[in-house]
Amino acid sequence: SYELTQPPSVSVSPGQTARISCSGEALTEKYGYWYRQKPGQAPVLVIYKDNKRPSGIPERLSGSNSGTTVTLTISGVQAEDEADYYCQSEDSRGDYKVFGGGTRLTVL
Amino acid sequence: QVQLQESGPGLVQPSGTLSLSCTVSGGSINTYYWTWIRQPPGKGLEWIGYVFYSGSAKYTPSLESRVTISVDTSKNQVSLKLTSVTAADTAVYYCARQSPETSVTTGGFDSWGQGILVTVSS
Repeated sequence: SYELTQPPSVSVSPGQTARISCSGEALTEKYGYWYRQKPGQAPVLVIYKDNKRPSGIPERLSGSNSGTTVTLTISGVQAEDEADYYCQSEDSRGDYKVFGGGTRLTVL
Repeated sequence: QVQLQESGPGLVQPSGTLSLSCTVSGGSINTYYWTWIRQPPGKGLEWIGYVFYSGSAKYTPSLESRVTISVDTSKNQVSLKLTSVTAADTAVYYCARQSPETSVTTGGFDSWGQGILVTVSS
């Protein structure tokens, strides 16, 4: 079955830039999406179609796609950014959706 | 603003059937894909499947033999049935709306319910 691979954890100090990667073969032809989940809450869409932000998401969150890897970048990290981040895409035929394993962002 | 609310039993017996409903309010059920996603305690998200407003459905391969997702447009409700459950099916179950991938929509899961914890235990 198709898988997306994320690092389990990323740690940064306040004000620095955090980058969270997500790798999968089908990302060369399928969009990547990113969700933020804080403890006890439902996930929230923060990036769609590789690099677009829904309304209400700060500009310091951005996304990019470089072939088989999509990356979520958070510039000027703040304490409120501490959360679990999940990438999501679909298999090459578009038959089913898949999530990455999630990355816990810790703000030191 | 569309709102999604999951409901159903919080405890299911092993080998039984898990049945959940998702009520959609504040928006039309038409045009969208209505999805179930689950999250075992302390673990990541797993896509279960979706039903389109027309009734067509797709499921993740690992659950396909046990799962049915259906839609009742007259009640603005989406349902999930998972048969032959085991402890491995214990999770928070989320209902989510996925917009079609067009030039003016996100294509992602842009609205979520609060989730409902279902425990499989005797």
